[in-house]
Amino acid sequence: QKEVEQDPGPLSVPEGAIVSLNCTYSNSAFQYFMWYRQYSRKGPELLMYTYSSGNKEDGRFTAQVDKSSKYISLFIRDSQPSDSATYLCAIPNDYKLSFGAGTTVTVRA
Amino acid sequence: EAGVTQSPTHLIKTRGQQVTLRCSPISGHTSVYWYQQALGLGLQFLLWYDEGEERNRGNFPPRFSGRQFPNYSSELNVNALELEDSALYLCASSFSVGQETQYFGPGTRLLVL
Repeated sequence: QKEVEQDPGPLSVPEGAIVSLNCTYSNSAFQYFMWYRQYSRKGPELLMYTYSSGNKEDGRFTAQVDKSSKYISLFIRDSQPSDSATYLCAIPNDYKLSFGAGTTVTVRA
Repeated sequence: EAGVTQSPTHLIKTRGQQVTLRCSPISGHTSVYWYQQALGLGLQFLLWYDEGEERNRGNFPPRFSGRQFPNYSSELNVNALELEDSALYLCASSFSVGQETQYFGPGTRLLVL
């Protein structure tokens, strides 16, 4: 079983829609969860991180963790064409990051 | 503050050749990580260096190796290149051991023909 599973999509939404991205993980000992955004032909950039269950908001982005279900989510409100990118969930594991496969999102103007 | 830098940006090699990729971490960061992002395989952990020592290694053959210099910059060496080594090689750095947040460079895109 993979440590982190993520539906690769792709996902195509109209501008202004809410984007919902999800990952599941296998190890209940994981404590720290991250979301990275990667534009085409660029390195990943850290978008959000959270330690605990519940929600964390940062502008139009909300990260959600449900430790009982081992499920993490990222929501993007009022999506913009500039949000078109690949979104990767990542979990620190033995000092490395275990990544989901990444979900490619296209926001249509 | 300058981010993680990597060189070169692109590289084309032929099977059997050797390649060296370079990374400079964010100033003040002592840990450097290398990842491979191959098409369809996602981001795979390669190597972790901290304070000049190799601390952890992913599931890659020994022909993938590297080192970290006293100024915390790092090199990744790949010997006897194979076609499947074609990928984006990403370097990341973090402030210290146990600091989970890793910041990535733009990557080196390697094509093996």
